[in-house]
Amino acid sequence: EAGVAQSPRYKIIEKRQSVAFWCNPISGHATLYWYQQILGQGPKLLIQFQNNGVVDDSQLPKDRFSAERLKGVDSTLKIQPAKLEDSAVYLCASSPSTEAFFGQGTRLTVV
Amino acid sequence: KQEVTQIPAALSVPEGENLVLNCSFTDSAIYNLQWFRQDPGKGLTSLLLIQSSQREQTSGRLNASLDKSSGRSTLYIAASQPGDSATYLCVAAGNKLTFGGGTRVLVKP
Repeated sequence: EAGVAQSPRYKIIEKRQSVAFWCNPISGHATLYWYQQILGQGPKLLIQFQNNGVVDDSQLPKDRFSAERLKGVDSTLKIQPAKLEDSAVYLCASSPSTEAFFGQGTRLTVV
Repeated sequence: KQEVTQIPAALSVPEGENLVLNCSFTDSAIYNLQWFRQDPGKGLTSLLLIQSSQREQTSGRLNASLDKSSGRSTLYIAASQPGDSATYLCVAAGNKLTFGGGTRVLVKP
């Protein structure tokens, strides 16, 4: 069974630039999550999708972050414009019900 | 609102010693509790998942217990090895997945 795929693995951008991350969940998984993990901390939920609907985006900084899930499958997370404090690992996870499977993450460095 | 706490935040032990990692959660209405391992710069690897109806799960040297009534889970790693050095995260699965802050483990040869 293929796992959760994320790309790119690494990204370095200057502040005020924009960036997008992509996630392909495990086939058939209805739930998709995006997490932000700052160095030394546990992951923080940014947004949760159920199929292509948003379940929870209460911690998503909507003035600069946006996310969509295309046709209930792939998802993209965008940051525009990026700030220094957005430097983190962005993790995507998918779940068929309550067990989560994570991708390798995208490490973003904003300079 | 679910809150998950992991104590200690960091742990250093000599090789061969048993590891005990603690996870506490405030809302007992969970479907399961999952333990993950995270190596530096890497994603999360699932170690054990305990369903809410279960008391423990075992895999090799790893054993995880769950006590919903007291809001606690414990991960035991027997006879630790340097390769066990990593950050261990617990996740409480209710309507959403809530992470603890992790315990950073160093096993010294």
